[in-house]
Amino acid sequence: SAVISQKPSRDICQRGTSLTIQCQVDSQVTMMFWYRQQPGQSLTLIATANQGSEATYESGFVIDKFPISRPNLTFSTLTVSNMSPEDSSIYLCSVEVGGMDYEQYFGPGTRLTVT
Amino acid sequence: AQSVTQLDSQVPVFEEAPVELRCNYSSSVSVYLFWYVQYPNQGLQLLLKYLSGSTLVESINGFEAEFNKSQTSFHLRKPSVHISDTAEYFCAVRSFTGGGNKLTFGTGTQLKVEL
Repeated sequence: SAVISQKPSRDICQRGTSLTIQCQVDSQVTMMFWYRQQPGQSLTLIATANQGSEATYESGFVIDKFPISRPNLTFSTLTVSNMSPEDSSIYLCSVEVGGMDYEQYFGPGTRLTVT
Repeated sequence: AQSVTQLDSQVPVFEEAPVELRCNYSSSVSVYLFWYVQYPNQGLQLLLKYLSGSTLVESINGFEAEFNKSQTSFHLRKPSVHISDTAEYFCAVRSFTGGGNKLTFGTGTQLKVEL
């Protein structure tokens, strides 16, 4: 298993500013994922972040808006840039634990409100 | 492309009654199937999974799900629910296509257990 922490747990930000969300895992993992969960909706994958390579973004998400860093095997950051109210959402970090179980573990999420 | 449909957005049920949360998926290749649970103000937790073998899988807290390939379903059931089962339940599918090992989530079912 994996224990994941995220900072901040919540924030209220003004339109046009940026917020960087941190994700820390208690073990080394290869694959990390960032998801968005908009109010009343399901989880949508933003990007996959593997250590040592550029993040891979899903359709509808771009690096300029959601830059991601993955400096080592236990840490990643997601920045939400030039925020608008439409970015209000819960942002979740997730990791895949190795082996054949294909289990993904999720952090507690960062609740972002943009005013 | 793969997709997941959770037919019920909300399921109210009385305590000790049985419950079934429905999940259907579409994929042109073999899939792995998951149920995640999100308790109020908490992160997602893996409830149970189907990878291969027996089509009936169980969780430690009394839930079970059955993989039905012909009906492309993975419904979640519990014979007697408890008030503590109140949560959002997400069905997810992973298939190994050219898109890699991405998890696709359904829109979730809010289970509300009442006394």
